[in-house]
Parts: sequence; C-alpha cells; structure tokens
Amino acid sequence: GAGVSQSPRYKVAKRGQDVALRCDPISGHVSLFWYQQALGQGPEFLTYFQNEAQLDKSGLPSDRFFAERPEGSVSTLKIQRTQQEDSAVYLCASSLVLAGVDTQYFGPGTRLTVL
Amino acid sequence: KNEVEQSPQNLTAQEGEFITINCSYSVGISALHWLQQHPGGGIVSLFMLSSGKKKHGRLIATINIQEKHSSLHITASHPRDSAVYICGEFGGSQGNLIFGKGTKLSVKP
Repeated sequence: GAGVSQSPRYKVAKRGQDVALRCDPISGHVSLFWYQQALGQGPEFLTYFQNEAQLDKSGLPSDRFFAERPEGSVSTLKIQRTQQEDSAVYLCASSLVLAGVDTQYFGPGTRLTVL
Repeated sequence: KNEVEQSPQNLTAQEGEFITINCSYSVGISALHWLQQHPGGGIVSLFMLSSGKKKHGRLIATINIQEKHSSLHITASHPRDSAVYICGEFGGSQGNLIFGKGTKLSVKP
C-alpha cells in the first residue's frame, strides 16, 4: 500500500476484554515501531521490531501488552485484560532501514476506549 | 534520561502571523524530528535534521546542536496550519523517537 495502515481505527472494549490491534507497514520497511499516545500528550514508545525480531520492548507498560511481527511485515499489538488506563491512541510507524536516523512514517492510529 | 521539552504548549495566532515553536532536548542526538498531527490523529513527518536549517514551503526548521535547541517557524500562517506540532529525538539505540508533549497551534482567519 501507499502508507502505513492500522485497523481497527476505533475500538471500544469492556474492562477485562482482550484486544488486538493490527499494523500494516509500508511494503519493504524493515523497522516497525509501536507508540501509545494518551490524550493531550505526545506519543510514547512501546516496542520496536527489526524484521520479525522484537529488539526492544522496554516501553511496554505491563505484561498484559504483547506484540508480534511473525513474518517481518504485519504486526499485531495485543492487550490482555484491558484496563481503563489503557485507553489511548496506539500508533504504528515504519521506516525503511535498520535502526538509526531515518524518517518514520506513521499510521492513522487506533483509538482504544476501555469502559 | 532523555527529555524533550516544547514551548509554548498552546499558541493562538492570526492568519498571516509569523510563528515560532521551540524544542529543547537533554542529550546529544543524531537527528531531531518535527511532526505535525491534525485533529483525527494522523501524524506527518515534516523535517528530520541534525544540523543547520531546512526549509519546505512556508515551514523552516533550525537546530543548534551546542545549545540542544531546535525551532520550527511558520511564515504567513494560515488556518490550515492549525494542528499539534511535536518534536522528537532519537532516544533509543534502536531508533525509537522520544517525543515532546506537543504544541497546539490554532490560526484564526
């Protein structure tokens, strides 16, 4: 595709439900990043993939958060037993090359609301 | 710890005004990003710079490495420039960005 796509765009979950958020990066992009953006804040780093390898997951807020990119393209961010504090926009970004200085292309985000 | 501070947090301007948004960071970096986020969430990368100045249309970004400071300027501002402008530095060894909280710009006609 022409850009990074994410689905769903909006997700409402009841507290305790599991959710899965999908990211389709730009074809051929090696690096993929997940960020969490709370209302009125800048995005905060969650995790990073280089191809299928998850090289950094230091930003994941708890062990309820899990991300994968099994074939080095599409990535899924899963949140188990959602809590109200998980409500945020989840942004995916990809970049062409390996870690380092490179433009990151962002998807439109998934707005998660936990009731 | 890497910290990115932006000022002002909120900015209201009249159409045509010259606008400056500031960004300070705490550690030496390889590059600094300026991003634009419109209502509805879409983020667009405006600039990535490591020295000097870059210009694209009415937007100009400058960086002073010694002072750890960058500015984004908008000349002849227009209501369509209304958005949140976010600066980010590469904070992780793997290339993730550390962002400021953003500056919400509103340009009135």
